[in-house]
Amino acid sequence: GNSVTQMEGPVTLSEEAFLTINCTYTATGYPSLFWYVQYPGEGLQLLLKATKADDKGSNKGFEATYRKETTSFHLEKGSVQVSDSAVYFCALSGGSQGNLIFGKGTKLSVKP
Amino acid sequence: GAGVSQSPSNKVTEKGKDVELRCDPISGHTALYWYRQSLGQGLEFLIYFQGNSAPDKSGLPSDRFSAERTGGSVSTLTIQRTQQEDSAVYLCASSPSGSQYNEQFFGPGTRLTVL
Repeated sequence: GNSVTQMEGPVTLSEEAFLTINCTYTATGYPSLFWYVQYPGEGLQLLLKATKADDKGSNKGFEATYRKETTSFHLEKGSVQVSDSAVYFCALSGGSQGNLIFGKGTKLSVKP
Repeated sequence: GAGVSQSPSNKVTEKGKDVELRCDPISGHTALYWYRQSLGQGLEFLIYFQGNSAPDKSGLPSDRFSAERTGGSVSTLTIQRTQQEDSAVYLCASSPSGSQYNEQFFGPGTRLTVL
């Protein structure tokens, strides 16, 4: 079945460091791919998405490219801030009922 | 505009009691999803509504769980005879349609604690 695997956390970085959170997927067909973020005490919100191969999603300095050849959708940011501390979830739209299938989440802590 | 709202935000109940969780989707969104977020299981899909219809209830964890949606809008998730393993955050999401290209907009969740 369809699934998402993302790197286990927690990840701790210093402010202005480079961030990569790896995400790989298994899916039939051509799903859309998403990164959602959950800030402390808040609900899930969409960070970025890509709907077809080679698409790059970007938002708030974060980027991810839909790589069909490596079945990956890694999240990157060139310079993280303390305010980026959150849990990040990779997801694909491959559920049998149009539901999202999520990775287990990666907790990011950014220290000043 | 208003986002997805859920109530209550927190619910503490005793084992064996019934609970009702409510979701108000974004106006005009025809697709509505329920998920459960727990420490051991991550984010787990429960049920999907297109309009008032839920074509497949197989994602519900047990027959103690049921859900309905009325008027193509508000949805309630009911858990009967709650058990401690039902403790989790229950998330509702809505989308303009069931298309895979649409993002899902999530509510803040209901944190359920079963004592």
